[in-house]
Amino acid sequence: DSGVTQTPKHLITATGQRVTLRCSPRSGDLSVYWYQQSLDQGLQFLIHYYNGEERAKGNILERFSAQQFPDLHSELNLSSLELGDSALYFCASSRGTAGVTGELFFGEGSRLTVL
Amino acid sequence: KNEVEQSPQNLTAQEGEFITINCSYSVGISALHWLQQHPGGGIVSLFMLSSGKKKHGRLIATINIQEKHSSLHITASHPRDSAVYICAVDGNKLVFGAGTILRVKS
Repeated sequence: DSGVTQTPKHLITATGQRVTLRCSPRSGDLSVYWYQQSLDQGLQFLIHYYNGEERAKGNILERFSAQQFPDLHSELNLSSLELGDSALYFCASSRGTAGVTGELFFGEGSRLTVL
Repeated sequence: KNEVEQSPQNLTAQEGEFITINCSYSVGISALHWLQQHPGGGIVSLFMLSSGKKKHGRLIATINIQEKHSSLHITASHPRDSAVYICAVDGNKLVFGAGTILRVKS
């Protein structure tokens, strides 16, 4: 058990819909990272939050947004969903600071299927 | 050219064999991560290193910053080591290799 909790584990929805994925980091970790893993693109970094502030953006689409709340949990919002958004979405947390990732602890992932 | 290249893509070994997975990268980094992903999908961090060598049990990771190269070694491999091993380099964000699919046969 990594200590990182992601919900939901599985999600099936239709094109055009909007979903929210939730992540609770390990106790004491201020950094939360979101990653997308698809069959054709592998693992890709989406976005990093540190203590409530956005610190780095990767290949995150404009249809996607995220935030980190005062209690440090984070949500990834995916809207106007397309078939190609079907993927595993991982959240990870670390004690790393804004500029250094640190050792990562991954959640079990949320598997999104868009039909 | 990808920023992170792993080799081999696929590897099948007999139980007990010594295994090496390689990772080469082309960008400046502050650290390199080795991750393990089991068939169920979960990802576990094995190592984070910025120089030299680290060892956990039967796993050894090395990095040569000048040559921009890292290796992950598994000694006395076991079927439970079967997984995907992923190298990721940390510039100001993680960039992942495509992964090495390892199968260890008993």
